[in-house]
Amino acid sequence: KAGVTQTPRYLIKTRGQQVTLSCSPISGHRSVSWYQQTPGQGLQFLFEYFSETQRNKGNFPGRFSGRQFSNSRSEMNVSTLELGDSALYLCASSLFRVVGGAEAFFGQGTRLTVV
Amino acid sequence: DAKTTQPPSMDCAEGRAANLPCNHSTISGNEYVYWYRQIHSQGPQYIIHGLKNNETNEMASLIITEDRKSSTLILPHATLRDTAVYYCIDLQTGANNLFFGTGTRLTVIP
Repeated sequence: KAGVTQTPRYLIKTRGQQVTLSCSPISGHRSVSWYQQTPGQGLQFLFEYFSETQRNKGNFPGRFSGRQFSNSRSEMNVSTLELGDSALYLCASSLFRVVGGAEAFFGQGTRLTVV
Repeated sequence: DAKTTQPPSMDCAEGRAANLPCNHSTISGNEYVYWYRQIHSQGPQYIIHGLKNNETNEMASLIITEDRKSSTLILPHATLRDTAVYYCIDLQTGANNLFFGTGTRLTVIP
């Protein structure tokens, strides 16, 4: 079956712009989580969506937001981009919410560069 | 903050078993231990998880000590493609996300 698909794979934006990233989870998976990965901070949790509702949020400013659609596809948005937002953004899907033992499947990520 | 401690790097000869240790001394009775790995430029890949008992799947074995304060991930016959950063995660009760620490960078040497 198809894995987690993230689009686009690469993106270059200018400071102050906004960006929307997309994630299509594995068919049948209802939980989608987003992570940011930078060389300095490693992998950090952004937020989790389950059944179209944000269930958990990491310690990121309000410029980072997301949503989930009825087909479980998810988007994340970053407004007023800053240079420090340059990172690999990873999406993970799981059949259930991760708590309780469900493994998460990650996409290849979207590499965002802010100039 | 991460509740697990792993060595920053390890080497392993190709074809030999790779044993990656992890300390999770503050783990609670109902917290799982998860292992993921990340090969360069790819998203993390789930390997295995366990609660109390040792676990084995097609990728690896997970050995959890009786007091659950540490565990070891075993790749029985390491190949060059196993070169990656390996993350040990203890999944906190009620948490809905994976907290990745700094992991162990495993280099498989020909």
